Amino acid sequence: NAGVMQNPRHLVRRRGQEARLRCSPMKGHSHVYWYRQLPEEGLKFMVYLQKENIIDESGMPKERFSAEFPKEGPSILRIQQVVRGDSAAYFCASSPQSGRNQPQHFGDGTRLSIL
Amino acid sequence: KNEVEQSPQNLTAQEGEFITINCSYSVGISALHWLQQHPGGGIVSLFMLSSGKKKHGRLIATINIQEKHSSLHITASHPRDSAVYICAVRSITSAVSSGSARQLTFGSGTQLTVLP
Repeated sequence: NAGVMQNPRHLVRRRGQEARLRCSPMKGHSHVYWYRQLPEEGLKFMVYLQKENIIDESGMPKERFSAEFPKEGPSILRIQQVVRGDSAAYFCASSPQSGRNQPQHFGDGTRLSIL
Repeated sequence: KNEVEQSPQNLTAQEGEFITINCSYSVGISALHWLQQHPGGGIVSLFMLSSGKKKHGRLIATINIQEKHSSLHITASHPRDSAVYICAVRSITSAVSSGSARQLTFGSGTQLTVLP
Protein backbone atom coordinates (compact mmCIF):
# COMPACT_ATOMS: atom_id res chain seq x y z
CA ASN A 1 0.00 0.00 0.00
CA ALA A 2 2.31 2.67 -1.32
CA GLY A 3 2.06 6.17 0.03
CA VAL A 4 2.19 9.37 -1.96
CA MET A 5 4.97 9.01 -4.51
CA GLN A 6 6.83 12.01 -5.82
CA ASN A 7 9.51 12.01 -8.46
CA PRO A 8 12.13 12.94 -8.99
CA ARG A 9 13.43 13.38 -5.44
CA HIS A 10 15.99 15.86 -6.68
CA LEU A 11 15.86 17.91 -9.85
CA VAL A 12 18.50 20.30 -11.14
CA ARG A 13 17.69 22.76 -13.90
CA ARG A 14 19.42 25.73 -15.47
CA ARG A 15 17.72 29.09 -15.64
CA GLY A 16 15.23 29.20 -18.48
CA GLN A 17 14.60 25.46 -18.59
CA GLU A 18 11.37 23.71 -17.71
CA ALA A 19 10.81 21.65 -14.57
CA ARG A 20 8.20 18.90 -14.33
CA LEU A 21 7.39 17.46 -10.95
CA ARG A 22 5.23 14.37 -10.63
CA CYS A 23 2.97 13.18 -7.87
CA SER A 24 1.12 9.89 -7.69
CA PRO A 25 -1.45 10.02 -4.88
CA MET A 26 -2.18 7.18 -2.55
CA LYS A 27 -4.39 4.47 -3.99
CA GLY A 28 -8.00 5.51 -3.80
CA HIS A 29 -7.20 9.20 -3.28
CA SER A 30 -8.70 11.60 -5.76
CA HIS A 31 -7.61 14.91 -4.23
CA VAL A 32 -4.11 16.30 -4.67
CA TYR A 33 -2.47 19.36 -3.13
CA TRP A 34 0.85 20.96 -3.98
CA TYR A 35 2.85 22.92 -1.44
CA ARG A 36 6.14 24.80 -1.74
CA GLN A 37 8.78 25.22 0.93
CA LEU A 38 11.29 27.95 0.11
CA PRO A 39 14.68 27.82 1.85
CA GLU A 40 14.38 28.88 5.48
CA GLU A 41 10.63 29.41 5.10
CA GLY A 42 7.51 27.51 6.00
CA LEU A 43 5.25 25.52 3.72
CA LYS A 44 2.86 27.45 1.52
CA PHE A 45 -0.18 26.16 -0.32
CA MET A 46 0.00 26.33 -4.11
CA VAL A 47 -2.85 24.43 -5.72
CA TYR A 48 -5.58 21.89 -5.01
CA LEU A 49 -6.79 19.54 -7.72
CA GLN A 50 -9.25 16.77 -8.20
CA LYS A 51 -9.20 14.47 -11.20
CA GLU A 52 -9.25 16.66 -14.32
CA ASN A 53 -10.19 19.76 -12.30
CA ILE A 54 -8.33 22.58 -10.62
CA ILE A 55 -10.32 23.42 -7.51
CA ASP A 56 -8.17 26.16 -5.98
CA GLU A 57 -5.05 27.69 -7.46
CA SER A 58 -4.96 30.75 -5.24
CA GLY A 59 -1.40 29.98 -4.10
CA MET A 60 0.10 29.54 -7.56
CA PRO A 61 2.24 32.27 -9.06
CA LYS A 62 0.33 33.82 -11.93
CA GLU A 63 3.00 33.16 -14.53
CA ARG A 64 5.17 30.17 -15.49
CA PHE A 65 3.46 27.73 -13.09
CA SER A 66 0.75 25.27 -14.02
CA ALA A 67 -0.66 22.08 -12.59
CA GLU A 68 -2.77 19.24 -13.86
CA PHE A 69 -4.24 16.01 -12.58
CA PRO A 70 -5.37 13.99 -15.58
CA LYS A 71 -7.87 11.18 -15.54
CA GLU A 72 -5.03 8.71 -15.90
CA GLY A 73 -1.55 9.16 -14.52
CA PRO A 74 0.09 11.35 -11.91
CA SER A 75 -0.47 14.96 -11.09
CA ILE A 76 2.11 17.23 -12.72
CA LEU A 77 3.40 20.55 -11.46
CA ARG A 78 5.09 22.35 -14.34
CA ILE A 79 7.37 25.34 -14.03
CA GLN A 80 8.38 27.01 -17.26
CA GLN A 81 11.46 29.20 -17.73
CA VAL A 82 12.71 28.53 -14.23
CA VAL A 83 14.51 31.21 -12.26
CA ARG A 84 16.78 30.98 -9.21
CA GLY A 85 13.89 31.91 -6.92
CA ASP A 86 12.08 28.71 -7.89
CA SER A 87 14.65 26.69 -5.95
CA ALA A 88 12.63 25.03 -3.21
CA ALA A 89 11.20 21.78 -1.96
CA TYR A 90 7.85 20.98 -3.54
CA PHE A 91 5.57 18.68 -1.62
CA CYS A 92 2.49 16.89 -2.79
CA ALA A 93 -0.24 15.58 -0.53
CA SER A 94 -3.34 13.56 -1.25
CA SER A 95 -6.58 12.83 0.53
CA PRO A 96 -9.46 10.48 -0.13
CA GLN A 97 -13.10 11.31 -0.71
CA SER A 98 -14.76 14.61 -0.27
CA GLY A 99 -15.60 15.73 3.21
CA ARG A 100 -14.34 18.55 5.29
CA ASN A 101 -11.90 16.87 7.59
CA GLN A 102 -10.03 14.28 5.65
CA PRO A 103 -6.36 13.87 6.58
CA GLN A 104 -3.73 14.70 4.00
CA HIS A 105 -0.89 12.28 3.35
CA PHE A 106 2.36 13.84 2.20
CA GLY A 107 5.02 12.65 -0.21
CA ASP A 108 8.76 12.95 0.36
CA GLY A 109 8.98 16.04 -1.82
CA THR A 110 11.02 17.09 -4.83
CA ARG A 111 14.02 19.29 -4.17
CA LEU A 112 14.39 21.63 -7.12
CA SER A 113 17.70 23.42 -7.58
CA ILE A 114 18.16 26.08 -10.23
CA LEU A 115 21.71 26.73 -11.40
CA LYS B 1 0.72 38.73 12.10
CA ASN B 2 0.76 35.19 10.78
CA GLU B 3 -2.42 33.19 11.05
CA VAL B 4 -0.47 30.35 12.68
CA GLU B 5 2.26 31.00 15.25
CA GLN B 6 4.47 28.34 16.76
CA SER B 7 6.75 28.46 19.76
CA PRO B 8 9.49 27.94 20.41
CA GLN B 9 11.24 28.22 17.05
CA ASN B 10 14.10 26.08 18.31
CA LEU B 11 14.19 23.63 21.18
CA THR B 12 17.06 21.56 22.51
CA ALA B 13 16.37 18.90 25.10
CA GLN B 14 18.17 16.05 26.81
CA GLU B 15 17.07 12.53 26.12
CA GLY B 16 14.20 11.57 28.40
CA GLU B 17 12.84 15.07 28.88
CA PHE B 18 9.18 15.95 28.46
CA ILE B 19 8.74 18.31 25.52
CA THR B 20 5.98 20.74 24.67
CA ILE B 21 5.56 22.64 21.42
CA ASN B 22 2.86 25.26 21.17
CA CYS B 23 0.69 26.49 18.32
CA SER B 24 -1.64 29.49 18.34
CA TYR B 25 -3.90 30.51 15.51
CA SER B 26 -6.02 33.54 14.83
CA VAL B 27 -8.81 32.17 12.63
CA GLY B 28 -11.73 29.83 13.16
CA ILE B 29 -10.68 26.37 12.12
CA SER B 30 -12.25 23.07 11.18
CA ALA B 31 -9.12 21.04 11.88
CA LEU B 32 -5.54 21.34 13.08
CA HIS B 33 -2.68 19.13 11.96
CA TRP B 34 0.66 18.34 13.54
CA LEU B 35 3.31 17.28 11.04
CA GLN B 36 6.87 16.02 11.41
CA GLN B 37 9.65 16.78 8.93
CA HIS B 38 13.06 15.14 9.16
CA PRO B 39 16.13 16.80 7.61
CA GLY B 40 16.16 16.24 3.88
CA GLY B 41 13.14 14.04 4.23
CA GLY B 42 9.47 14.02 3.70
CA ILE B 43 6.60 15.10 5.86
CA VAL B 44 4.69 12.76 8.10
CA SER B 45 1.26 13.59 9.42
CA LEU B 46 1.21 12.93 13.16
CA PHE B 47 -2.25 14.09 14.20
CA MET B 48 -5.35 15.73 12.85
CA LEU B 49 -7.68 17.02 15.54
CA SER B 50 -10.63 19.33 15.89
CA SER B 51 -11.26 19.01 19.63
CA GLY B 52 -9.90 17.47 22.78
CA LYS B 53 -6.86 15.28 22.84
CA LYS B 54 -5.21 12.50 20.84
CA LYS B 55 -2.42 10.15 21.84
CA HIS B 56 -0.16 7.97 19.75
CA GLY B 57 2.70 6.25 21.50
CA ARG B 58 4.81 8.89 23.21
CA LEU B 59 3.08 11.74 21.37
CA ILE B 60 0.08 13.62 22.70
CA ALA B 61 -1.74 16.45 20.95
CA THR B 62 -4.29 18.70 22.59
CA ILE B 63 -6.41 21.52 21.30
CA ASN B 64 -8.44 24.25 22.99
CA ILE B 65 -10.83 25.68 20.43
CA GLN B 66 -11.97 28.58 22.63
CA GLU B 67 -8.40 29.72 23.21
CA LYS B 68 -7.31 28.93 19.63
CA HIS B 69 -4.33 26.99 20.93
CA SER B 70 -2.86 23.54 20.49
CA SER B 71 0.08 21.76 22.06
CA LEU B 72 2.17 18.80 20.98
CA HIS B 73 3.81 16.88 23.80
CA ILE B 74 6.53 14.27 23.56
CA THR B 75 7.12 12.10 26.61
CA ALA B 76 10.45 10.37 27.28
CA SER B 77 12.07 12.14 24.34
CA HIS B 78 14.68 10.35 22.25
CA PRO B 79 17.32 11.58 19.77
CA ARG B 80 15.27 10.03 16.95
CA ASP B 81 12.52 12.56 17.77
CA SER B 82 14.83 15.29 16.46
CA ALA B 83 12.97 16.90 13.58
CA VAL B 84 10.96 19.96 12.62
CA TYR B 85 7.43 19.88 13.97
CA ILE B 86 4.87 21.87 12.02
CA CYS B 87 1.40 22.99 13.00
CA ALA B 88 -1.12 23.54 10.19
CA VAL B 89 -4.75 24.63 10.24
CA ARG B 90 -7.68 24.45 7.89
CA SER B 91 -9.74 27.55 8.44
CA ILE B 92 -13.51 27.42 8.63
CA THR B 93 -13.72 29.93 5.78
CA SER B 94 -11.74 27.63 3.54
CA ALA B 95 -13.69 24.61 4.72
CA VAL B 96 -17.07 25.93 3.65
CA SER B 97 -15.89 27.57 0.46
CA SER B 98 -15.91 25.05 -2.34
CA GLY B 99 -13.08 26.85 -4.03
CA SER B 100 -10.55 26.64 -1.25
CA ALA B 101 -12.12 23.74 0.54
CA ARG B 102 -9.13 22.10 2.05
CA GLN B 103 -5.95 24.08 1.81
CA LEU B 104 -3.77 24.23 4.89
CA THR B 105 -2.04 27.22 6.45
CA PHE B 106 1.22 26.31 8.12
CA GLY B 107 3.22 27.58 11.05
CA SER B 108 6.92 28.20 10.55
CA GLY B 109 7.88 25.06 12.43
CA THR B 110 9.76 24.18 15.59
CA GLN B 111 13.22 22.66 15.21
CA LEU B 112 13.60 20.05 17.96
CA THR B 113 16.98 18.59 18.82
CA VAL B 114 17.14 15.85 21.43
CA LEU B 115 20.64 15.19 22.72
CA PRO B 116 21.72 11.75 23.92
